[in-house]
Amino acid sequence: DAGITQSPRYKITETGRQVTLMCHQTWSHSYMFWYRQDLGHGLRLIYYSAAADITDKGEVPDGYVVSRSKTENFPLTLESATRSQTSVYFCASSDTGGGLYEQYFGPGTRLTVT
Amino acid sequence: LAKTTQPISMDSYEGQEVNITCSHNNIATNDYITWYQQFPSQGPRFIIQGYKTKVTNEVASLFIPADRKSSTLSLPRVSLSDTAVYYCLVGGSMDTGRRALTFGSGTRLQVQP
Repeated sequence: DAGITQSPRYKITETGRQVTLMCHQTWSHSYMFWYRQDLGHGLRLIYYSAAADITDKGEVPDGYVVSRSKTENFPLTLESATRSQTSVYFCASSDTGGGLYEQYFGPGTRLTVT
Repeated sequence: LAKTTQPISMDSYEGQEVNITCSHNNIATNDYITWYQQFPSQGPRFIIQGYKTKVTNEVASLFIPADRKSSTLSLPRVSLSDTAVYYCLVGGSMDTGRRALTFGSGTRLQVQP
C-alpha cells in the first residue's frame, strides 16, 4: 500500500533489551523523521535524515540509533531500552526542504519498556 | 529557535468559527508558519502553511499580521470531528537546523454538540 507505515504498532520490551522500530514510505520522499510523544505532550524530534546515508540528531537523540541505507526505510533502534523511553514513536516523511514543513506521519508505534 | 506559545485548550460548539492564536515573537526572516492537527492515537496531519498575510484552503484559513509575531488559525463552522489537538510550528529551511522542528504542546480543541 502507498504511504508511510510503521511496525510494529505495539511493542512491550524489558529494560536493557535492544529494540528496532521500522518505518517505510513509498513516496520516495527525501526527508524522514523520528519523533517521540509522551502522554499529554507534544512531539519531540529524535533524529532526522535528509537523504540516504545522511542523518542528523534532533532534540532528544540520546539512547537512539538510526540508519538510512535506502531512501524508503528509516529504522530507529533503542540500543538498551530504558523505562524513560516508554512512549509513542512517530515516523514522518517530507519531500521538501526549502522552508516547507508538510510532513506525512505514520500511525505510530506504542512502546512500553518494563 | 522561534518558540511558540498557544492556549492549552479551547472549547467551542458545532457550527461556530474557532480561532486559535499562536505567538512567535522571535520568528526569523526565513521562517514559515505551519499548523498540524492530531487526533487521539494518530499521527499529526498537516493543515495549512503560510509566510505572510492570509492563506486559505479547503479546511482552514491562516492569518499572519505584517510583523509576523503571531498567527491565527481559523476553522470555519467546526463540527464534532474537529475535536483534536492543534499544533503551531515555526521554522525555516531544513538547512537552518533541526531545532526548528519543535511541535510544542499544542491547543486541545473540544467541540460540543
